[in-house]
Amino acid sequence: AQTVTQSQPEMSVQEAETVTLSCTYDTSESDYYLFWYKQPPSRQMILVIRQEAYKQQNATENRFSVNFQKAAKSFSLKISDSQLGDAAMYFCAYRSINNDMRFGAGTRLTVKP
Amino acid sequence: KAGVTQTPRYLIKTRGQQVTLSCSPISGHRSVSWYQQTPGQGLQFLFEYFSETQRNKGNFPGRFSGRQFSNSRSEMNVSTLELGDSALYLCASSLGQGFHEQYFGPGTRLTVT
Repeated sequence: AQTVTQSQPEMSVQEAETVTLSCTYDTSESDYYLFWYKQPPSRQMILVIRQEAYKQQNATENRFSVNFQKAAKSFSLKISDSQLGDAAMYFCAYRSINNDMRFGAGTRLTVKP
Repeated sequence: KAGVTQTPRYLIKTRGQQVTLSCSPISGHRSVSWYQQTPGQGLQFLFEYFSETQRNKGNFPGRFSGRQFSNSRSEMNVSTLELGDSALYLCASSLGQGFHEQYFGPGTRLTVT
């Protein structure tokens, strides 16, 4: 079974600075999708960014970008120019070809003004 | 476009009772997935429905069941409630099966006393 590991339960960043959240996963499949979701204190999960495993180019969405290392099974999220509104729980997720969806335990990000 | 809606938002039940939660997906989305979120276990996949058929199921007891209607709305039912069923239940919809990203609802907070 696929597992997703987020080794940082909590992270802190100063406003306007950059932070990187780590995620590793275990799979024997070659084709899959990876996602980062954000869950603010209001609890609504929001998709931040997604990466197709067959694409070598790292996905980017405005201030959010990923570093996808397929061989290392690593999928980190970089948040540039951090804003107070970025404070949330961040979940890394893996979706397999048979639609199995697995989430990591989450990383709580605090943004300091 | 309206987002994923879930009703009720909060629910208090006693042990042994049963409960039904409802989820209305984004218009045009045909796939609905359900997740249980608890502080101890994190986000765990319950099941996924597509075209009124359960396509994938997580590792939960048979007390947890669901269904999907022809308009893609979905319900999940938990019978013989246990204290450990207290959780936030999240519903997510997507266009279809495969590698589509999921959009989450605000969740239903179930408390079992």
